[in-house]
Amino acid sequence: DQQVKQNSPSLSVQEGRISILNCDYTNSMFDYFLWYKKYPAEGPTFLISISSIKDKNEDGRFTVFLNKSAKHLSLHIVPSQPGDSAVYFCAAENQGGKLIFGQGTELSVKP
Amino acid sequence: GAVVSQHPSWVICKSGTSVKIECRSLDFQATTMFWYRQFPKQSLMLMATSNEGSKATYEQGVEKDKFLINHASLTLSTLTVTSAHPEDSSFYICSATTGVTNEKLFFGSGTQLSVL
Repeated sequence: DQQVKQNSPSLSVQEGRISILNCDYTNSMFDYFLWYKKYPAEGPTFLISISSIKDKNEDGRFTVFLNKSAKHLSLHIVPSQPGDSAVYFCAAENQGGKLIFGQGTELSVKP
Repeated sequence: GAVVSQHPSWVICKSGTSVKIECRSLDFQATTMFWYRQFPKQSLMLMATSNEGSKATYEQGVEKDKFLINHASLTLSTLTVTSAHPEDSSFYICSATTGVTNEKLFFGSGTQLSVL
């Protein structure tokens, strides 16, 4: 039972354009969501998060949007840079504080 | 950010043998460490939560006798895959926390295990 889904395994974007990574979840009890970024041969690192009481959180070029009614969140990166090329995981935190991860989306930003 | 070191990064072993993976927090003390497994094109799945000085808490469906976890100190946790079989071949990754939020969760670089 995949409670957090990232249906796009890969995404290719031109440098300077917007990257939109999507994530869907099934459990309405999730109350905190996080995005992690992973470079090859490295572990994931925390990028940005959002509480379920908000619908938007912005940090520089990164913005996360949450649509609770649709059980959908998205990560926007604008403008995209080649250094943003990585695998992005969304994760939902359950009431026990455990993280449920999506499958990841590999973003490729082309110069 | 804090550094978590995981070794080895890649291991190949014969079926029936045991493999030990180490996870160290290099510049902080981690009271809690987590072990995940990721199959190709699937998500990171939590296997167990490891607290220093106590028995690990395993997720449903994870065999505790097969995946032995030891968290003997505040900076080291080990995962031993006992009597490994080809179906245990996977990417194993650990994480350690400095605090109570998942924003303070730091991951190792992972171990790719291939069982022949």
